[in-house]
Amino acid sequence: EAQVTQNPRYLITVTGKKLTVTCSQNMNHEYMSWYRQDPGLGLRQIYYSMNVEVTDKGDVPEGYKVSRKEKRNFPLILESPSPNQTSLYFCASSLIGGGSYEQYFGPGTRLTVT
Amino acid sequence: AQRVTQPEKLLSVFKGAPVELKCNYSYSGSPELFWYVQYSRQRLQLLLRHISRESIKGFTADLNKGETSFHLKKPFAQEEDSAMYYCALMALNNQGGKLIFGQGTELSVKP
Repeated sequence: EAQVTQNPRYLITVTGKKLTVTCSQNMNHEYMSWYRQDPGLGLRQIYYSMNVEVTDKGDVPEGYKVSRKEKRNFPLILESPSPNQTSLYFCASSLIGGGSYEQYFGPGTRLTVT
Repeated sequence: AQRVTQPEKLLSVFKGAPVELKCNYSYSGSPELFWYVQYSRQRLQLLLRHISRESIKGFTADLNKGETSFHLKKPFAQEEDSAMYYCALMALNNQGGKLIFGQGTELSVKP
């Protein structure tokens, strides 16, 4: 089954404790991206990647890191989480070009930083 | 500046009434626009993209470059249409593409 998976689905952590949220897709998509969803703000792009070893900042990259060592994986790293990073995070992937930027979304990761 | 604006946070209609969810964009290039829907407790999924000009679940959206709008319409709303709707713009550049979402409109269809 074609899908985007994220782990963990729920995470409660404390300020400053490094964490990684994994994202994996099995559709051989070039484009992968991370978003955070906050009430009243909609979805905001954190980072995106056009292909392996190619990443770029979205609109709200501060406090986050990503890596794209393999095509299927795009982990999101919070080196020193803070309470303002409490949010619902979505990973997504898509093909590139030809009008095929349809994003396939993961189920979301709800992160709480205390 | 690249921006997507959905002016209504909440839109409430009765079953069978027409629905229009507004979306305006600001982008200097040729836009690629999408509507995504998020039903309760589910992941976001694509509803429409302007390039395909499809009608999905009775919804249509027409790109109006003059008014920089991409409003989503349905002539007769159904209760199962209740969900969060997001308009999105793919802003392409030499380095890649950023996907910019609006703030979202919650559609509530009452019986």
